[in-house]
Amino acid sequence: DQQVKQNSPSLSVQEGRISILNCDYTNSMFDYFLWYKKYPAEGPTFLISISSIKDKNEDGRFTVFLNKSAKHLSLHIVPSQPGDSAVYFCAASAYNYGQNFVFGPGTRLSVLP
Amino acid sequence: GAGVSQSPRYKVAKRGQDVALRCDPISGHVSLFWYQQALGQGPEFLTYFQNEAQLDKSGLPSDRFFAERPEGSVSTLKIQRTQQEDSAVYLCASSTASMGEEETQYFGPGTRLLVL
Repeated sequence: DQQVKQNSPSLSVQEGRISILNCDYTNSMFDYFLWYKKYPAEGPTFLISISSIKDKNEDGRFTVFLNKSAKHLSLHIVPSQPGDSAVYFCAASAYNYGQNFVFGPGTRLSVLP
Repeated sequence: GAGVSQSPRYKVAKRGQDVALRCDPISGHVSLFWYQQALGQGPEFLTYFQNEAQLDKSGLPSDRFFAERPEGSVSTLKIQRTQQEDSAVYLCASSTASMGEEETQYFGPGTRLLVL
């Protein structure tokens, strides 16, 4: 049973427009969430994180929103650039469950010029 | 500064062979993690070290998998008698966090293992 779900395997967006990547989780004990970006043949690169005490965190073009009641988070990229084309992984961890992250299956974002 | 490095980057093994995968974490990082990533999936947790202590090995899929970090820095993931289902990318990550702290994990490029 997947605890972290990313239901869209792929997403295509025009350059300059907003990209919205979604993530849902089932474990209510998760209290720390992250987004990673991955290019082919490279390891995941940290993008942005959010603690469960917040509902929004912003870093430049990237904003993560957390809706705890819905067990849902989303990553907004505005404006999208061709270099943003990559696979995006949502990850979650729980303070009392140790240090490991639980990852979703990823969403492949293609930003079209 | 240098990031997490892993070697080899690619490994082809015959079924039944033993393999050893190396991870050099970021200097000074207390925590080290191993993940397995199958094709088209997200990384899945294998094991976690805090310094030289292996605090969690709940994700290791079988007793053929063994990990160590004897001096609290470099770590080796060993897979004995490899099977075709072991084919995956093995990712190492490190962080500054101690137990119970929230902290970003920084990933290496991974070792792609193919078992024939």
